[in-house]
Amino acid sequence: DIQMTQSPSSLSVSVGDRVTITCRASQNISSYLNWYQQKPGKGPKFLIYAASSLQSGIPSRFSGSGSGTDFTLTINSLQPEDFATYSCQQSYSTPWTFGQGTKVEIK
Amino acid sequence: QVQLQESGPGLVKPSGTLSLTCAVSGDSISSPNWWSWIRQPPGKGLEWIGEIFHRGSTNYNPSLKSRVAISVDKSKNQFSLKLTSMTAADTAVYYCARKGGLITMIGGTFINAFDIWGQGTVVTVSS
Repeated sequence: DIQMTQSPSSLSVSVGDRVTITCRASQNISSYLNWYQQKPGKGPKFLIYAASSLQSGIPSRFSGSGSGTDFTLTINSLQPEDFATYSCQQSYSTPWTFGQGTKVEIK
Repeated sequence: QVQLQESGPGLVKPSGTLSLTCAVSGDSISSPNWWSWIRQPPGKGLEWIGEIFHRGSTNYNPSLKSRVAISVDKSKNQFSLKLTSMTAADTAVYYCARKGGLITMIGGTFINAFDIWGQGTVVTVSS
């Protein structure tokens, strides 16, 4: 199985801050990497596919980058509705696997 | 818009069988998508359980393969999960999700992603 490791596990930030979350794959997955946002009591919301392509309807303050084994999710000018947990997921090979999640909390 | 809704018992006895159903609205279960089950134990990350295509093809996580069965009911536009020999380690929030295919605008890369999710249902294993 491909292991996905995110860092940090959590971070405390303020509205307007820039947030960077890292995801590392245990082997080369090219650009087969997706990002999701999850809020308490709700199912995950799909944000970014193929490492850097924004899903329709997702604000442009979200962006993704990377390829191979190292990937980044960036949120520019964090908004109140962005406080949530973010997870990466590889779609290179089954079993599909997710990172453990990064919780973005209010400072 | 496409919506998924999980249903089933919230409490399962140890060694029992979990049965969950996911009702699909706004899309046909026969569309060219895969339909998945994913779970999240308390305080842990998401774990993919398995998926089914409407023609009956399935893929399962090897870690659960011996205990899992996913089926589809086209007449009801829904799909279901059965997980046998439940233990406390199976306590989790269970989600159903649609796995769709997307193509990047630059490079034309085809990739699959879980683009629609249900809200999840809490399942506790306890006597």
